[in-house]
Amino acid sequence: EIVLTQSPATLSLSPGERATLSCRASQSVRSFLAWFQQKPGQAPRLLISDASNRASGVPARFSGSGSGTDFTLTISRLEPEDFAVYYCQQRSNWPPFTFGPGTKVEFK
Amino acid sequence: EVQLLESGGGLIQPGGSLRLSCAASGFTFSSHAMTWVRQAPGKGLEWVSSIDNRGTNTHYADSVKGRFTISRDNSKNTLYLQMNSLRAEDASVYYCAKNAGAMESGDFDNWGQGTLVTVSS
Repeated sequence: EIVLTQSPATLSLSPGERATLSCRASQSVRSFLAWFQQKPGQAPRLLISDASNRASGVPARFSGSGSGTDFTLTISRLEPEDFAVYYCQQRSNWPPFTFGPGTKVEFK
Repeated sequence: EVQLLESGGGLIQPGGSLRLSCAASGFTFSSHAMTWVRQAPGKGLEWVSSIDNRGTNTHYADSVKGRFTISRDNSKNTLYLQMNSLRAEDASVYYCAKNAGAMESGDFDNWGQGTLVTVSS
């Protein structure tokens, strides 16, 4: 089973700042990595697929990069609605599909 | 617009059974694999099960294998999750998700709002 590790667990930032979230896989997942955003009381929302492809309707301030075992989600300038929990997920080696434990982006 | 509406959650005693449903609309249901993902209160996301577009191939997390059964009725645009021998650790919000294509390996690109399952005596 591929284990995903996310860092940091919590990121305290202010609106307008840049957010950099990391996801590391225990073995190569090639580019089969997705990022999801989840706000309190809501379902997860797909942001990025295949490491760097923004999903439909996702603002351009969200970008993904990486391949193999190291991936990054960058939010160029945080908007108030971006404060949420972000999960990475791999679909390279399954079952099982696995998620990271999440990074919470909170107001500083 | 893709819509996924889960139902069937509730309070159930340990050892009991429950069937969750997910009514789909806004896309060609029979062309997409579907998936169940759960989230225990205050915890992260856990993949539970996936099924291909025809219902031919199914896959399960080890934690539910032998107790849960995923199925679908393409004539009713509905996904199901039959949950038997429920345990306290199965208590979660259960989300259904649409896969990006016919195969189970596709991205989970749309999610329902979830249905809460509580397991307690």
